Amino acid sequence: EVQLVETGGGLIHPGGSLRLSCSASGIADGSHYMSWVRQAPGKGLEWVSVIYKGGHTQYADSVKGRFAISRDDSNNIVYLQMNSLRVDDTAVYYCAGGPLYPDSSGYYPYWGQGTLVTVSS
Amino acid sequence: DIQMTQSPSTLSASVGDRVTITCRASQGIRTYLAWYQQKPGKAPQLLIYSASTLQSGVPSRFSGSGSGTDFTLTISSLQPDDFATFYCQQYNSFSWTFGQGTKVEIK
Repeated sequence: EVQLVETGGGLIHPGGSLRLSCSASGIADGSHYMSWVRQAPGKGLEWVSVIYKGGHTQYADSVKGRFAISRDDSNNIVYLQMNSLRVDDTAVYYCAGGPLYPDSSGYYPYWGQGTLVTVSS
Repeated sequence: DIQMTQSPSTLSASVGDRVTITCRASQGIRTYLAWYQQKPGKAPQLLIYSASTLQSGVPSRFSGSGSGTDFTLTISSLQPDDFATFYCQQYNSFSWTFGQGTKVEIK
């Protein structure tokens, strides 16, 4: 059974930094594209970033230059480094996993339970 | 970015009803479309990918259709467990984007 567990959320002041982690189990090491998707309180889903097998990355315009996604395939962990945080980054951040390589389509069969990031002074 | 517009935003229906939700893309996305169901306080769950392929384990009362810019999610006979919010997602081109959601409520 695939399990994704996010950690690292919390309360942070505007302008601060935070690193989220997503530990994956039950999936082949490094063989799935992995993403972060966020959901502001009471709002819809917003795609944030993706990292592919091999390390290629893409970002939403709203976080480009401030957030960085990375992966440690030996430990099956995906990270999201968030810098220059703003109030409108407040959201539940979900780790989401794609199907097994070579399917690199873009949909997400696997989701974590989410971790809340609150940016407030 | 490609904009995804769902309609309606809210839908009131009864158990046993046939329900249809539409999703329109601002430009053609071929069949690179997924549908998700989300219940309050829970993560989304994949229902459909490639516009019409049912994810393993998802009940057959869910079906998807469409290509290009217009897509539909149909629930053939609404069940009590189906009351939730549904989202479409395009993955044809970056940035991948979700629709704003359709909440299915009990009538």
